[in-house]
Amino acid sequence: AQKVTQAQTEISVVEKEDVTLDCVYETRDTTYYLFWYKQPPSGELVFLIRRNSFDEQNEISGRYSWNFQKSTSSFNFTITASQVVDSAVYFCALSEGRNTGNQFYFGTGTSLTVIP
Amino acid sequence: DTAVSQTPKYLVTQMGNDKSIKCEQNLGHDTMYWYKQDSKKFLKIMFSYNNKELIINETVPNRFSPKSPDKAHLNLHINSLELGDSAVYFCASSQETGSLFTYEQYFGPGTRLTVT
Repeated sequence: AQKVTQAQTEISVVEKEDVTLDCVYETRDTTYYLFWYKQPPSGELVFLIRRNSFDEQNEISGRYSWNFQKSTSSFNFTITASQVVDSAVYFCALSEGRNTGNQFYFGTGTSLTVIP
Repeated sequence: DTAVSQTPKYLVTQMGNDKSIKCEQNLGHDTMYWYKQDSKKFLKIMFSYNNKELIINETVPNRFSPKSPDKAHLNLHINSLELGDSAVYFCASSQETGSLFTYEQYFGPGTRLTVT
């Protein structure tokens, strides 16, 4: 079974629109970590955020914000006032606390295109 | 200064050949990883080393062999290359993992392997 589900395969928005990328995870652990990564067209993977399971506070960083809800096992990512430079594939990932080796389970990614 | 570097960036080779991809990190991290990203962008872990010791060895053909001469380097050697090995291979590193704390992983730029 997929531990991380990103149901949105592709999203297109017009510049300056807000967009939310969904991430739903599955784990039986009480301690776990969630991550978001960005992969722009150039191909590198850029770390965006880490959140542990005991911290449900939402986080905002500039135009980026993350909403973590344990009740729905979701860790959604919102980009406000999107820009063309936000066009990329975004990955959500899970690491389970009991797991040795820091193994990440990545979702299948959401490809975001911001149209100028 | 590049944090996680990989060489080569592109690798084109014929079926049956043996090739190596090198990875180096200058972050002082203790754990390094190899991932494979297929044509659909799906990221899957292959191996993980902690202080030169293999700690994750996912189900990959034994034609793939990682080698860690020291904790700053993790190389990937592939024997008898097959068409299906064509993919982008990413190296990553993270701080040492404890049983209850997981650090983010920092990725190299990737190596695009094409087997003809």
